[in-house]
Amino acid sequence: EVQLVESGGGLVKPGGSLRLSCGASGFNFRTFSMNWVRQAPGKGLEWVSSLSAVGNYMYYADSVKGRFTISRDNAKNSVYLQMNSLRAEDTALYYCARLGGNYDLDYWGQGTLVTVSS
Amino acid sequence: QSALTQPRSVSGSPGQSVTISCTGTSSGVGDYDYVSWYQQNPGKAPKLLIYDVNKRPSGVPDRFSGSESGNTASLIISGLQAEDEADYYCCSYAGGNSFGVFGGGTKLTVL
Repeated sequence: EVQLVESGGGLVKPGGSLRLSCGASGFNFRTFSMNWVRQAPGKGLEWVSSLSAVGNYMYYADSVKGRFTISRDNAKNSVYLQMNSLRAEDTALYYCARLGGNYDLDYWGQGTLVTVSS
Repeated sequence: QSALTQPRSVSGSPGQSVTISCTGTSSGVGDYDYVSWYQQNPGKAPKLLIYDVNKRPSGVPDRFSGSESGNTASLIISGLQAEDEADYYCCSYAGGNSFGVFGGGTKLTVL
């Protein structure tokens, strides 16, 4: 059974940093691109970042470019999102998701909540 | 502002069919057959319903189908059931240096 479990969310002040983690199991992690998608309270979904299977291609939404860094450790079946210079508008539930094929996300974690507030 | 436009809400009675549209305002829908649809129940993670415009993952009922015409993709739900009441999101590759972009979401109410 495919499982994705996020951790690392919490309350942080504007300008602060957080590192999100996503542990994967139940599939050959090293052969799939992994992604972070966020959802602000009461709002829609936003694709934040994507990292290819071997880590040689990464994508960032314009809203986080230069502040967030995605990485992965295939030996630990984990993907990470380093978030720096956090802003109030980064407050959201952050989901880890597996890229199933052509820009579709076939498995999702339950999310970890990031709150940016003073 | 999303590059994919969905109606904010749709509704239907049990047993009826409803269609949720997803219109691309730039390249993406219609240029690439990479449209996917997701169902999100309150407090839950999104669930993949349709990928590559009209393909269903295993386990998704065939009451859910997808289509595309020009720059508009559609999710069709036939034989509406109370459990279908949820938020639905389309997603597509937007072309160029972008990656996946989601529509703003549609709330389906089963009357």
